[in-house]
Amino acid sequence: QVQLQESGPGLVKPSETLSLTCTVSGGSISSYFWTWIRQPPGKGLEWIGYISYRGSPNYNPSLKSRVTISVDTSKNQFSLKLNSVTAADTAVYYCARDLRSSAGTHWFDPWGQGTLVTVSS
Amino acid sequence: DIQMTQSPSSLSASVGDRVTITCRASQTMSSYLNWYQQKPGKAPKLLIYVASSLQSGVPSRFSGSGSGTDFTLTINSLQPEDFATYYCQQSYSAPYTFGQGTKLEIK
Repeated sequence: QVQLQESGPGLVKPSETLSLTCTVSGGSISSYFWTWIRQPPGKGLEWIGYISYRGSPNYNPSLKSRVTISVDTSKNQFSLKLNSVTAADTAVYYCARDLRSSAGTHWFDPWGQGTLVTVSS
Repeated sequence: DIQMTQSPSSLSASVGDRVTITCRASQTMSSYLNWYQQKPGKAPKLLIYVASSLQSGVPSRFSGSGSGTDFTLTINSLQPEDFATYYCQQSYSAPYTFGQGTKLEIK
C-alpha cells in the first residue's frame, strides 16, 4: 500500500527557509493530488496547500506569500518550501495523499508519520 | 474561510460506552466532511469520509452522519484503543479547515 515519508532539517533559523520532501512509496505519485498539513505542538491541524501530479498548486491564503509546493514525478516526491520562518512556524509537518472522488469530494489518506521542525536560532 | 467547531472539546467515557462528537460548520457544505483519529505522537488516521462513508479497515463501531452544517461522529461500544483525539475537516472549499479537536479520555 502507499506509504509517505517526510524528510528534511529538524531545525531552521528564523528568517530562513524551511524545506521538506515527502517520498511516496508503494505506488505512483501520478494521477493523485498531494498535500501538506502542519500541527504546532499541542495544537490543532492546519492545511498548508496541495499540488496535483501535473504540478498545479493551491495554497492556504494565510501562508500563500511564503509557500511553494512542487512535485518531482521522476523521483516520486513532492516538496514544501516555507520562507521567512518565525517561531510560529514550529510544528510537526505532515504530508498526505489528497484523494478525490468524481463528485468533487476529497479526503487525506494516507499520511506520513510527520516530522518536527523547530524554528530557533 | 469555513470555520469548524467541534463539541465537546474533551470527553470522559468508559469502555463499552457510546459517544457522540458533533462538528458544526460556519456555512452549508453538503456532505464534504471527513473525520480523523489521532493518537499521541502519531499522524492522524482517516476514519470517515464524505460524512458517512467508513474508511476501509476501520471498525464498524465508528459511524458518521449529517449534511449541510451539522455532523456527528458516533462510536458504539468504546474500546481501549479508541481513546484519542478526533478531528473533523471540511473539504468543501479551500482553505480546507479542521475542527479544534475532541479529546476522548478514559473515565
